[in-house]
Amino acid sequence: EAQVTQNPRYLITVTGKKLTVTCSQNMNHEYMSWYRQDPGLGLRQIYYSMNVEVTDKGDVPEGYKVSRKEKRNFPLILESPSPNQTSLYFCASSYRGYVSPLHFGNGTRLTVT
Amino acid sequence: EDKVVQSPLSLVVHEGDTVTLNCSYEVTNFRSLLWYKQEKKAPTFLFMLTSSGIEKKSGRLSSILDKKELFSILNITATQTGDSAVYLCAVGRDNYGQNFVFGPGTRLSVLP
Repeated sequence: EAQVTQNPRYLITVTGKKLTVTCSQNMNHEYMSWYRQDPGLGLRQIYYSMNVEVTDKGDVPEGYKVSRKEKRNFPLILESPSPNQTSLYFCASSYRGYVSPLHFGNGTRLTVT
Repeated sequence: EDKVVQSPLSLVVHEGDTVTLNCSYEVTNFRSLLWYKQEKKAPTFLFMLTSSGIEKKSGRLSSILDKKELFSILNITATQTGDSAVYLCAVGRDNYGQNFVFGPGTRLSVLP
């Protein structure tokens, strides 16, 4: 089944403790991205990647890191999480080319205390 | 700064009603406009629009884009309780159109 898989689905952590949220897609998509969703603000793009070893900042990149060493994986790294990073995170992927819609993972709900 | 605005932000209707959801945008290097439906989990894709004036339809849902006036509408006819969701509008930008900016969403509640 074609899908985008995120793990974990739920995560509670403390301020400053490094964490990684994994994202994997099995559709051979070139493009992958991370979004956070907060009430009243909609989905905001954190980072995106056009292909292996090619990443770029989205609209809210501060406090996050990403890497794209393999085409199928695009992990999101929070080196020192803070409470304002408490949010619902989505990974998404698509084919390259502007007629391709985004396919989303099921989300990771992160709480930083 | 690129911006996508949706209205209304919230809407309550009864089954059988017809609703129109609005999305306007100010985005440099526009490539496409997408509509998504989000229930409890991940957004699911509804429509992608790239050309003005061409209506896309899927069952009771339809959508159209006006690139001159920079807006799109999503119509849902004969609403059902299963249409209750948040409807998201997203605009693709940059050369490949995959750097998306999303609106805040319209929360639709359909009462029996």
